[in-house]
Amino acid sequence: DAGVIQSPRHEVTEMGQEVTLRCKPISGHDYLFWYRQTMMRGLELLIYFNNNVPIDDSGMPEDRFSAKMPNASFSTLKIQPSEPRDSAVYFCASSTSMDSYGYTFGSGTRLTVV
Amino acid sequence: ILNVEQSPQSLHVQEGDSTNFTCSFPSSNFYALHWYRWETAKSPEALFVMTLNGDEKKKGRISATLNTKEGYSYLYIKGSQPEDSATYLCAFENAGNMLTFGGGTRLMVKP
Repeated sequence: DAGVIQSPRHEVTEMGQEVTLRCKPISGHDYLFWYRQTMMRGLELLIYFNNNVPIDDSGMPEDRFSAKMPNASFSTLKIQPSEPRDSAVYFCASSTSMDSYGYTFGSGTRLTVV
Repeated sequence: ILNVEQSPQSLHVQEGDSTNFTCSFPSSNFYALHWYRWETAKSPEALFVMTLNGDEKKKGRISATLNTKEGYSYLYIKGSQPEDSATYLCAFENAGNMLTFGGGTRLMVKP
């Protein structure tokens, strides 16, 4: 398995533009998580899905953020409109409830909003 | 808001030194405690997941212990090597399978 795949690796966009981050979890994993990493707050959970259903989105900062998981192999995190304070590294991770090997993280998307 | 604390925040050691750091977490609603190794410009990589009080896990020179009653876990590195330099994250998993990460301990091993 190629692991958790995120795209793009880097995104630079202008304030006010829509940004879509993509994630392909490991096949067979039934949990998918979106994290944001900043210097100030470390790794913070934004939202997670179980079997494609959003379970907890209390970490989503504002209505400008939305996430979907239309099927077991794909999820998106969208920011519309983007703001400079959204600049961060966004990680997607997946795991399975069937074992205890921890989460597998993607390589992250570094977002810069100018 | 769950309080997952790691100490120290950073640590400089010489090659060959053994070292350890601490993760403290809530003792209620506990499901598992994770340790991750996070190298610069890479993604966090799972080291251990521990679920039972008294658990001890080992991978090469790295080992970890767990005390769920008092809410702490130790990570030990024996004979540190420069390639061990990374940030070590612990994370508390609750019964809802949600992870809350600590701030990490940044380890730098000098040759």
